[in-house]
Amino acid sequence: QVQLVQSGAEVKKPGASVKVSCKTSGFTFSDYAFHWVRQAPGQRPECVGWINVGNGDTKYSEKLQARVTVTTDTSANTVYMELTSLRSEDTAVYYCARGEHLDHWGQGTLVTVSS
Amino acid sequence: SYELTQPSSVSVSPGQTARITCSGDVLAKKYGRWFQQKSGQAPVLVMYKDTQRPSGIPERFSGSTSGTTVTLTISGAQVEDEADYFCYSETDYIGVFGGGTTLNVL
Repeated sequence: QVQLVQSGAEVKKPGASVKVSCKTSGFTFSDYAFHWVRQAPGQRPECVGWINVGNGDTKYSEKLQARVTVTTDTSANTVYMELTSLRSEDTAVYYCARGEHLDHWGQGTLVTVSS
Repeated sequence: SYELTQPSSVSVSPGQTARITCSGDVLAKKYGRWFQQKSGQAPVLVMYKDTQRPSGIPERFSGSTSGTTVTLTISGAQVEDEADYFCYSETDYIGVFGGGTTLNVL
């Protein structure tokens, strides 16, 4: 069955970086794009960026594009999202999701930014 | 504009029909999707391409579209349908979510 399993919760200080992984199984990894979506407490989800595994194309939110990078390891069927220069407002649950319609999601990774 | 606007809440009694709307200029050109999110859980896709229901989603969920508005309809809402519902579409670059609608079934 389709599975997206994300890495565990992170606590970071302002200015640090975080890299969240999303390990996939149950389908052909290279056939899909993957999205990263974050959700602060009580807020709507916010798109961070996405990557098309087949051709390597990436797109990022204008708000975050200077600080975010989405990559893949095709040998491990895994997608990564790295966010640098963390601020308190980056505190959120970060999700990976599969495909054009975000039809399957990871369980979420809580990233807390606090001094 | 790239904003998607939803009502903040909708309330129905069990067995009644719930309708949740989502409006935005982008919906005239791009498909809408709907996600159900229960407290502390990841969102679940309940509708895509405006009117398509993923496998495993009950038949009481349906979608429709008209101009710049998409609507999620739950016919015969159940208590277990209580959740936040977010619409979603994409611009030429990145996706955008609506503000979310809390569905109360009581």
